Amino acid sequence: GAGVSQSPSNKVTEKGKDVELRCDPISGHTALYWYRQRLGQGLEFLIYFQGNSAPDKSGLPSDRFSAERTGESVSTLTIQRTQQEDSAVYLCASRSGTGAFGYTFGSGTRLTVV
Amino acid sequence: QQQVKQSPQSLIVQKGGISIINCAYENTAFDYFPWYQQFPGKGPALLIAIRPDVSEKKEGRFTISFNKSAKQFSLHIMDSQPGDSATYFCAALGGGSNYKLTFGKGTLLTVNP
Repeated sequence: GAGVSQSPSNKVTEKGKDVELRCDPISGHTALYWYRQRLGQGLEFLIYFQGNSAPDKSGLPSDRFSAERTGESVSTLTIQRTQQEDSAVYLCASRSGTGAFGYTFGSGTRLTVV
Repeated sequence: QQQVKQSPQSLIVQKGGISIINCAYENTAFDYFPWYQQFPGKGPALLIAIRPDVSEKKEGRFTISFNKSAKQFSLHIMDSQPGDSATYFCAALGGGSNYKLTFGKGTLLTVNP
């Protein structure tokens, strides 16, 4: 596609439920990132994929968070047993393989845990 | 530990004025410093970027000034327009092969007509 697509755009869930957030990167982009943006804060790195493997998961805040990527394409971020502090905008970005430029962010999924 | 500190949190400027946003970093391994512009409901979009071997970079009305010895960099928006009203993030990249970005907390810029 022309850009990074994320779905859903908004998600309201009850505390304790599991949620899945989806990211469709730009076709051909081998690198994919998830970031979290809490209200009034900058973006926090969560996880990095190169192809289908995740060499850097250092930003995942707890074992309730997990992510996978298949076919060097779609990625899913799963949050189990959601807590109110998980409320944030979750942003996905993909990057072309050539150097430090070329990050493209999606519009994000706004997650609200009630 | 906040590796990139950004100020101010919010900024109000009159149309035609100069908007200045400042950032400071700690990690000397950073080697690329982008600025992102974010409108409500949208993801951040790259505005302008600089490498530490350059002291200034200008693109249209947007200029980055970089002070390597002080580990500081700033964004100047000349002739600010109401359409520039957005949240601006400085970021830093480097210190590893994963190209992950470290962001400041953002500055909400409002340009009054």
